[in-house]
Amino acid sequence: AQSVTQLDSHVSVSEGTPVLLRCNYSSSYSPSLFWYVQHPNKGLQLLLKYTSAATLVKGINGFEAEFKKSETSFHLTKPSAHMSDAAEYFCVVSDPRNKLVFGAGTILRVKS
Amino acid sequence: DTGVSQDPRHKITKRGQNVTFRCDPISEHNRLYWYRQTLGQGPEFLTYFQNEAQLEKSRLLSDRFSAERPKGSFSTLEIQRTEQGDSAMYLCASGSSGRTDTQYFGPGTRLTVL
Repeated sequence: AQSVTQLDSHVSVSEGTPVLLRCNYSSSYSPSLFWYVQHPNKGLQLLLKYTSAATLVKGINGFEAEFKKSETSFHLTKPSAHMSDAAEYFCVVSDPRNKLVFGAGTILRVKS
Repeated sequence: DTGVSQDPRHKITKRGQNVTFRCDPISEHNRLYWYRQTLGQGPEFLTYFQNEAQLEKSRLLSDRFSAERPKGSFSTLEIQRTEQGDSAMYLCASGSSGRTDTQYFGPGTRLTVL
């Protein structure tokens, strides 16, 4: 079975500083992994996805994530946080039927 | 707008009433998924369709819940005899069949059961 653990429920950074949101996964198969973002009162938006190609995946809005099989991790990073990045972020693993299994989410706060 | 749409966006109902939600997927997508998200949690899978066939249902989907996708286009999710525990955001997503295809989410329907 597939599962995802997001290691921090809340992360607070200052504007202009790096962002790191941590995610570990468990999968019986070669996983497909995603990061989605959810802004208040908005739908879930795909940030990036890993599908067994390059291990460093670039997404929208300057975000990227690195797939590390040995560590079963898929951490999300951004070099410089912007106020508009404040939102809830979900790490997601896909099962063989493309059914998504979500982590509990990490709320990112960006301080001015 | 060619994204996934859901209707209504908000629904307030009294315990014991029936409610029905609608999802219109992206037109070229053959798969449609329903998820439920409760406060402070990530979305949880409920069921999915490939074309008009319902291929999988979660154990979360009690017999009070039923979903349909007639003609493989829009889908409806009905909850009968609602309970306070049904209060949640109900999310619909669509995608194409394939191991790694992206799912695109609608804005959700927020259900409040009084």
